[in-house]
Amino acid sequence: EVQLVQSGAEVKKPGESLKISCQGSGYSFTYWIGWVRQMPGKGLEWMGIILPGNSDTRYSPSFQGQVTISVDKSISTAYLQWSSLKASDTAMYYCMRQDGLGTYYFDYWGQGTLVTVSS
Amino acid sequence: QTVVTQEPSFSVSPGGTVTLTCGLSSGSVSTSYYPSWYQQTPGQAPRTLIYSTNTRSSGVPDRFSGSILGNKAALTITGAQADDESDYYCALYMGSGIWVFGGGTKLTVL
Repeated sequence: EVQLVQSGAEVKKPGESLKISCQGSGYSFTYWIGWVRQMPGKGLEWMGIILPGNSDTRYSPSFQGQVTISVDKSISTAYLQWSSLKASDTAMYYCMRQDGLGTYYFDYWGQGTLVTVSS
Repeated sequence: QTVVTQEPSFSVSPGGTVTLTCGLSSGSVSTSYYPSWYQQTPGQAPRTLIYSTNTRSSGVPDRFSGSILGNKAALTITGAQADDESDYYCALYMGSGIWVFGGGTKLTVL
């Protein structure tokens, strides 16, 4: 069974760093893994995507330079990290797998990681 | 920057039919954007409904269908049920690994 399991909720202060994770299982960790942000009461915003095999990474212009997406394929895990959090980073973050058969969609989703940034 | 447009809200009567759309701030949506649709209920992760314009994901009831209507992608729910009350998001593949999600449509069934 394909699963994406995300790390648990985080509470941080402004200016702190953070790295959240998304571990894939039940399949070969060779598919693109993407991240979306969902701010409280708002919609899904696509942040970026990474290909585990060669770490090829693409970012939304809105998030370029604001976050870093990385991967450790040895443990089938993708990461989303911030070097200096802001209160406006408070949101739920989901990872998702992009289908690898040329049909271009997100077929599996993680359960979400809630990040709260507050002083 | 590309903006993907969706109706902010829509309502449908139980048993009724509703069509939600997904457009582009400039230009037309075609199958080349591989439009996909996702359903999200409060507190839950999104669920994949439709991909490649009109292919239902595994386990999705056939009352959900996708199409291109004019210059937009469309999601039609035929015979709406109470548990279809959710937020619906479309996503478009812009090429070169870049995606854009629409702002979502809040569907009320009443």
